[in-house]
Amino acid sequence: EDQVTQSPEALRLQEGESSSLNCSYTVSGLRGLFWYRQDPGKGPEFLFTLYSAGEEKEKERLKATLTKKESFLHITAPKPEDSATYLCAVQVGNNAGNMLTFGGGTRLMVKP
Amino acid sequence: DTGVSQDPRHKITKRGQNVTFRCDPISEHNRLYWYRQTLGQGPEFLTYFQNEAQLEKSRLLSDRFSAERPKGSFSTLEIQRTEQGDSAMYLCASSFSNGQLFFGSGTQLSVL
Repeated sequence: EDQVTQSPEALRLQEGESSSLNCSYTVSGLRGLFWYRQDPGKGPEFLFTLYSAGEEKEKERLKATLTKKESFLHITAPKPEDSATYLCAVQVGNNAGNMLTFGGGTRLMVKP
Repeated sequence: DTGVSQDPRHKITKRGQNVTFRCDPISEHNRLYWYRQTLGQGPEFLTYFQNEAQLEKSRLLSDRFSAERPKGSFSTLEIQRTEQGDSAMYLCASSFSNGQLFFGSGTQLSVL
């Protein structure tokens, strides 16, 4: 069974304090790994898709990387508006419908 | 069209009542997905449609749940004889056949 585990469950940072969120996965045939941001009371908002080990993508203060077993979301000099839950999800090769299997998320709080 | 729209945003019902939610996907998207998310957890896949055909259902989708997508446009998710365990955020997403999923803001269901 495909499994996605995110750590830590919660993370508190001071504004400007860089850190990384982890997403480890055990799947049969990864087609893509997705990162989403979710604000309270809202649906997930797409951030990145990574397809192969070694791939990196950046957007503002966020950088996502992928290895064969895990993905990292690096947050550089975070601001309070980066506070949210960050979800990772996998799409597997035998999945004709593009369904995503999500991890439990990391709740990030950035204090000014 | 600015995104996936879900209605209502919030629903409070008594145990044993039936409820129905509506999802309007991004108009060009042929795939539509329903997910359920409980507090502190990542979204869990329930079912998906390609055009009007329901192609896959999760084992989470008991026989009290039914989803339709008449004419391949909007979709409805009905829960019959609601139970307290059905309390959750119900998320709808849409996509092209091989594209990323775009999520709506969800319907928060509370069963009293």
